[in-house]
Amino acid sequence: DAKTTQPPSMDCAEGRAANLPCNHSTISGNEYVYWYRQIHSQGPQYIIHGLKNNETNEMASLIITEDRKSSTLILPHATLRDTAVYYCIVRVSSRRDGTASKLTFGTGTRLQVTL
Amino acid sequence: DAMVIQNPRYQVTQFGKPVTLSCSQTLNHNVMYWYQQKSSQAPKLLFHYYDKDFNNEADTPDNFQSRRPNTSFCFLDIRSPGLGDAAMYLCATSRDPGLARPQYFGPGTRLLVL
Repeated sequence: DAKTTQPPSMDCAEGRAANLPCNHSTISGNEYVYWYRQIHSQGPQYIIHGLKNNETNEMASLIITEDRKSSTLILPHATLRDTAVYYCIVRVSSRRDGTASKLTFGTGTRLQVTL
Repeated sequence: DAMVIQNPRYQVTQFGKPVTLSCSQTLNHNVMYWYQQKSSQAPKLLFHYYDKDFNNEADTPDNFQSRRPNTSFCFLDIRSPGLGDAAMYLCATSRDPGLARPQYFGPGTRLLVL
């Protein structure tokens, strides 16, 4: 499985953009980059995912480098509610037809949003 | 709102006493997953159902079983819980198991083994 490397923790001031980096230098051509977050004692929450192109939704933006070896999750205006552990996951398939893929969580980045 | 529901949110059991955790979904998704998350660790996949097809992870202990009687419900059975099985158990669903399909998680059930 492609491994990801994330900083263990980051701080961000409320109202500012939070930029969370992730390195995935061993990613293969058909593997997606997923971002989830987990607020304390809750289930992980899906944020966004992408293959090659940058993606944006109502929660965040995902910027993937051209060589796909790294990505950045951007929360444009962080609030206190965004304090959570953010997981960057490279999703791989255990079958040739692309089925039976699973999420392999790493250690994530603990984002603390402060006043 | 369509969602993934887990009951109960907290479950206490005794060492060696079988316990069942429940998950239901209103998303009409074909795949249901069970993850285990121990304290200060990341979630780890135990197994998943693709429709009625059961797929076990290689390192999931035999003590853990699962049942999926219909599309909406999936159960996690722990036959003889040990102290090391105390954890948060997370249910997730996806429309299909493809790489481009997000998984959506429920709130989890925290299991305490006495």
